[in-house]
Amino acid sequence: QVQLQQWGAGLLKPSETLSLTCAVSGGSFSDHFWSWIRQPPGKGLEWIGEINHSGNTNYNPSLKSRVTISVDTSKNHYSLKLTSVTAADTGEYFCARVNYGDVDYWGQGTLVTVSS
Amino acid sequence: DIQMTQSPSAMSASVGDRVTITCRASRDVDRFLAWFQQKPGRVPKRLIYTISTLQSGVPSRFSGSGSGTEFTLTISSLQPEDFATYFCLQHKSYPLTFGGGTKVEI
Repeated sequence: QVQLQQWGAGLLKPSETLSLTCAVSGGSFSDHFWSWIRQPPGKGLEWIGEINHSGNTNYNPSLKSRVTISVDTSKNHYSLKLTSVTAADTGEYFCARVNYGDVDYWGQGTLVTVSS
Repeated sequence: DIQMTQSPSAMSASVGDRVTITCRASRDVDRFLAWFQQKPGRVPKRLIYTISTLQSGVPSRFSGSGSGTEFTLTISSLQPEDFATYFCLQHKSYPLTFGGGTKVEI
């Protein structure tokens, strides 16, 4: 059974850097891309980007200038950094497995609040 | 970006009703369309992928159809546990984009 367990700071001040990590267990880490998706309060889902075990990434152009996704294959972990956060970055952040382009397994979510 | 427009954004329904939710893409997404269910405070759950393939464990009252730019999620007989928000996702091209969601309420 594939499981994604994520963690990271939940309260940030404007201009700080959001940092989240997702640990993957079960399944084959090297066979998939691994993504980050976010959801502002009461709103829809936004795809942030993805990475594979080789470090190949794809980012949403709307966030690309502030986003870095990295991978640690020795631990089957991958991470998200989002710089210069503002209140607009407040929301639930999910890590998720990409399977043939689709998203099947999700992490439990991390609520990130940006407030001064 | 491919824009995904869902309708309706919210609806009221009763147990036993047939419910239809539509997702329209701004351009052809081929077969690369999935549907998700999300309950308050919960992680999205994939219901259907490649337009009409039912995720393992999902009840057969859920079905998907469509092609090209117009897709439909149908719940044949709404059950109490189906009151939730539903999203479509296109993964034909980057960036992946979701529909705005349809909240199904009692």
